[in-house]
Amino acid sequence: GEDVEQSLFLSVREGDSSVINCTYTDSSSTYLYWYKQEPGAGLQLLTYIFSNMDMKQDQRLTVLLNKKDKHLSLRIADTQTGDSAIYFCADNEGRIYNQGGKLIFGQGTELSVKP
Amino acid sequence: ETGVTQTPRHLVMGMTNKKSLKCEQHLGHNAMYWYKQSAKKPLELMFVYSLEERVENNSVPSRFSPECPNSSHLFLHLHTLQPEDSALYLCASSQGYGDRGYEQYFGPGTRLTVT
Repeated sequence: GEDVEQSLFLSVREGDSSVINCTYTDSSSTYLYWYKQEPGAGLQLLTYIFSNMDMKQDQRLTVLLNKKDKHLSLRIADTQTGDSAIYFCADNEGRIYNQGGKLIFGQGTELSVKP
Repeated sequence: ETGVTQTPRHLVMGMTNKKSLKCEQHLGHNAMYWYKQSAKKPLELMFVYSLEERVENNSVPSRFSPECPNSSHLFLHLHTLQPEDSALYLCASSQGYGDRGYEQYFGPGTRLTVT
């Protein structure tokens, strides 16, 4: 079946850029998402990218998509301590005949921001 | 209230108890989801309802029984659970369910502990 992989941990210093990487296996992906989960909370949708785009920027967030390598990344500029959380990459298991729509999540990357 | 709410936020139950988790969405969405989040594991999709009809049931044990009485409410009825069922149970909703790739909005979760 489909798989989404992420590294488990990332540690950066406050003010640096963070880059969280994700790889996926489904070649028919339509949308790919980034979610953030703070301790004791649910998942918060950060941003998403449609599969015909290479890049999407939203304030401090930049999403890069390499469809050939099936690689997705999330760059957070000027990382702050409040960005410390677990970040999940998710792939929409889109199918042609409207029978899909499930999100397949990676294991999550725990981002630790040190002052 | 706005967004997706879940009650209770914390639940401790014995293996012989019966309890229910409740989810309510105030977004006018037509699809609702139950996920299980265990430590060190990816999110596991349990059930999906679209327009109050169950469209996904991912081999979940029968001790978990979902109910969707209308498009705004989703319940997860629990009975004779096992200690390994202890986890964070997350509810989500989306505008629709299908190939378009509707982003999902999550509630804060119910932290369930089975003793």
